[in-house]
Amino acid sequence: DAGITQSPRHKVTETGTPVTLRCHQTENHRYMYWYRQDPGHGLRLIHYSYGVKDTDKGEVSDGYSVSRSKTEDFLLTLESATSSQTSVYFCATQPTASSYNEQFFGPGTRLTVL
Amino acid sequence: QQPVQSPQAVILREGEDAVINCSSSKALYSVHWYRQKHGEAPVFLMILLKGGEQKGHDKISASFNEKKQQSSLYLTASQLSYSGTYFCGTENSGGGADGLTFGKGTHLIIQP
Repeated sequence: DAGITQSPRHKVTETGTPVTLRCHQTENHRYMYWYRQDPGHGLRLIHYSYGVKDTDKGEVSDGYSVSRSKTEDFLLTLESATSSQTSVYFCATQPTASSYNEQFFGPGTRLTVL
Repeated sequence: QQPVQSPQAVILREGEDAVINCSSSKALYSVHWYRQKHGEAPVFLMILLKGGEQKGHDKISASFNEKKQQSSLYLTASQLSYSGTYFCGTENSGGGADGLTFGKGTHLIIQP
């Protein structure tokens, strides 16, 4: 399994505060993804990265920004958290751009915005 | 657009078979299947590609009908460990880099 860690694992914050979630991988995978998981919606793609400093938007990117300054780290930032951003956030990695490659998921971060 | 999974939930006795379906309104290039246990990360099961290539779990089988834009996951002689939520993730064009579009999931409960 790819070594993927997420931090923090749980966070409670208040509406309007900035929040940064970190995804760290030790497998040197080029592609990294942030998904959110909500009951009744499955997993939805927020942003993804195809290399250092190269990122693109996913399906539900409003209210989120990302950065990738090193291959191993992919940060997700909520500039001003809202209650609708309460969710479980999963990071995933993929070694190369191939439809034959599976994604490896991190353990998730449970974020609660009060 | 999000693929549609059916059924939404199924309860089986150990040893029974199940079929989980994933259907898209758009042409599919690949379908990925994952299983997630409560409170854990999704875990890879299968990849099915347009043209017939497959990769994945040796105890689970799946099919991909390109014409009907759908895939099915077959769980035979189910074991207690098969319980969890199954997600299909789809890719509409090749490339494999832009992330997957996941269905809402199928909850599978296996009872002894």
